[in-house]
Amino acid sequence: AQRVTQPEKLLSVFKGAPVELKCNYSYSGSPELFWYVQYSRQRLQLLLRHISRESIKGFTADLNKGETSFHLKKPFAQEEDSAMYYCALSDSGGSNYKLTFGKGTLLTVNP
Amino acid sequence: GAGVSQTPSNKVTEKGKYVELRCDPISGHTALYWYRQSLGQGPEFLIYFQGTGAADDSGLPNDRFFAVRPEGSVSTLKIQRTERGDSAVYLCASSLTFGQLAFFGQGTRLTVV
Repeated sequence: AQRVTQPEKLLSVFKGAPVELKCNYSYSGSPELFWYVQYSRQRLQLLLRHISRESIKGFTADLNKGETSFHLKKPFAQEEDSAMYYCALSDSGGSNYKLTFGKGTLLTVNP
Repeated sequence: GAGVSQTPSNKVTEKGKYVELRCDPISGHTALYWYRQSLGQGPEFLIYFQGTGAADDSGLPNDRFFAVRPEGSVSTLKIQRTERGDSAVYLCASSLTFGQLAFFGQGTRLTVV
């Protein structure tokens, strides 16, 4: 069985400060990891996926198989980054299907 | 709009009643997924359709829950004899085909009183 753990329910930082949202996973196979974001009153949307190895809105995430982690990082947080962030894992060998989500971290970026 | 559409956006029902939740996927998307998000939790997988058939319904919690997609487009999630524990946001997502990026709808907030 797969599991995704986001240890922080709430995270508050000031604008311009670095931010790191933690995600750890448990999975016996080869995982595909994702970060989803939900801004206030908007639908859940994909932020980034580890296979893309790209930076979206200044966010990056590196898959660390040794530590089974996929932490989301941004060097300088902006107020518009305030949102709910979910880490998710796919158990179907590289396909975006049957995602297992963490409980989410609510990020607040203060002015 | 061109996104995934879910109706109604909110539904309040009495315990024991039957409810139907509708999902209109993005036009041309053959894969459709239902998730349930309870308060304070992340979304949990319920069922996945590829075309008209349910390819994986392992996430449905019990036999009170059923979903259909008769023409391979619109899907309906049906809940019989609703219980207070069924209260949650029900999310639908669709993707062009299996393995492609999925897009989520706004969800239906179901409240069982």
